[in-house]
Amino acid sequence: QSALTQPPSASGSPGQSVTISCTGTSSDVGAYNYVSWYQQHPGKAPKLMIYEVIKRPSGVPDRFSGSKSGNTASLTVSGLQAEDEADYYCSSYAGRDNLVFGGGTKVTVL
Amino acid sequence: QVQLVQSGAEVKRPGASVKVSCKASGYTFTSYAMHWVRQAPGQSLEWMGWINTADGNTKRSQQFQGRVTLTRDTSATTAYMELSSLRSEDTAVYYCARYRGSYQMDVWGKGTTVTVSS
Repeated sequence: QSALTQPPSASGSPGQSVTISCTGTSSDVGAYNYVSWYQQHPGKAPKLMIYEVIKRPSGVPDRFSGSKSGNTASLTVSGLQAEDEADYYCSSYAGRDNLVFGGGTKVTVL
Repeated sequence: QVQLVQSGAEVKRPGASVKVSCKASGYTFTSYAMHWVRQAPGQSLEWMGWINTADGNTKRSQQFQGRVTLTRDTSATTAYMELSSLRSEDTAVYYCARYRGSYQMDVWGKGTTVTVSS
């Protein structure tokens, strides 16, 4: 299975919102509501931010929200803060117990 | 607290094998499967496979079929990932991550750096 497509970069000023897209196919993102989003700071392990398209694990601020339309999932970070500057990766179930990640998006807080 | 502690960095020659361990603590090991994900320098995350820690069944990414072996030792609450026939492109940080269901990984190890160099 091919990697999911994400824009390489996104940016916003503090307090603004930024939305990252994650485009797959009708065999992965479009077929299942098993899209997750991970945040990764430099030199650190990824951290789960969103699962099942829209759900937030406990402890994740409600500034982070997820959505999906067709074969494209999105992560929105509202009220951007300096600590939100990181790489973000989407992942999706792709059938037959397979998982696929996106190429990653670097979010910069201006 | 729930944590996954991975083994230390490795340097291997091309053609060799490497075995990375991931010791779980703070939860019932066999209640959660374990995924393995790697990240080459400056690259994205790449899913390698996962192991059902209760019965040992595994699923490996097609890309790693035949080269990766996933095992676990329930008495030691430890999962293992062995990658054989190493090449320079296998230089990466290898992560284990607990599978919480719904194809999400909620707890990650800190990663093990594997360097393949002649």
